[in-house]
Amino acid sequence: AQKVTQAQTEISVVEKEDVTLDCVYETRDTTYYLFWYKQPPSGELVFLIRRNSFDEQNEISGRYSWNFQKSTSSFNFTITASQVVDSAVYFCALSEQNRGNEKLTFGTGTRLTIIP
Amino acid sequence: GAGVSQTPSNKVTEKGKYVELRCDPISGHTALYWYRQSLGQGPEFLIYFQGTGAADDSGLPNDRFFAVRPEGSVSTLKIQRTERGDSAMYLCASSSPGAGIETQYFGPGTRLLVL
Repeated sequence: AQKVTQAQTEISVVEKEDVTLDCVYETRDTTYYLFWYKQPPSGELVFLIRRNSFDEQNEISGRYSWNFQKSTSSFNFTITASQVVDSAVYFCALSEQNRGNEKLTFGTGTRLTIIP
Repeated sequence: GAGVSQTPSNKVTEKGKYVELRCDPISGHTALYWYRQSLGQGPEFLIYFQGTGAADDSGLPNDRFFAVRPEGSVSTLKIQRTERGDSAMYLCASSSPGAGIETQYFGPGTRLLVL
């Protein structure tokens, strides 16, 4: 069975600091996708990134970067020069292609608070 | 284009009542998912539609929960004889068909409170 673990329940950092959110996953499939979503106080899940299991290249998008390591089953998310608008709950999720059902298995989320 | 929309945004009901939650997916998206998110938890899968049919309803907690998508677009999640434990955020997501695993885009959710 697939599982996603986000061990950090809450993190607080001062604005402009860098912060890394950890994500560890378990799956028996060789083909899978990993996602990060942001959930601001409004409640809507906002898609940030998708990474497939065959592409271990790290990705950078502005202040966001992602480190995918299959050897440790981790897909960590770093925000550099954090801003108050980054305050939200962040979810890591895993999807396996199971008879066409690409349902997401989410971690329990990390609540990030950026202190001005 | 418009994103996924869900109505109502909030629903308060009394224990034992029947409720319907509506989801309008992104135009052209054939896959539709319902998730339930309890306070302090990540969303949990309920049901998946591909077109009009429920391809996987293994996440529905019991037979009080039912969902339909009669024309392959709008979906309605129906909960009978609501219980206080049904209180949660109900999220809908849709994705477009593709060769691999596609990104799911979420609506704003319906926050259900059962008194």
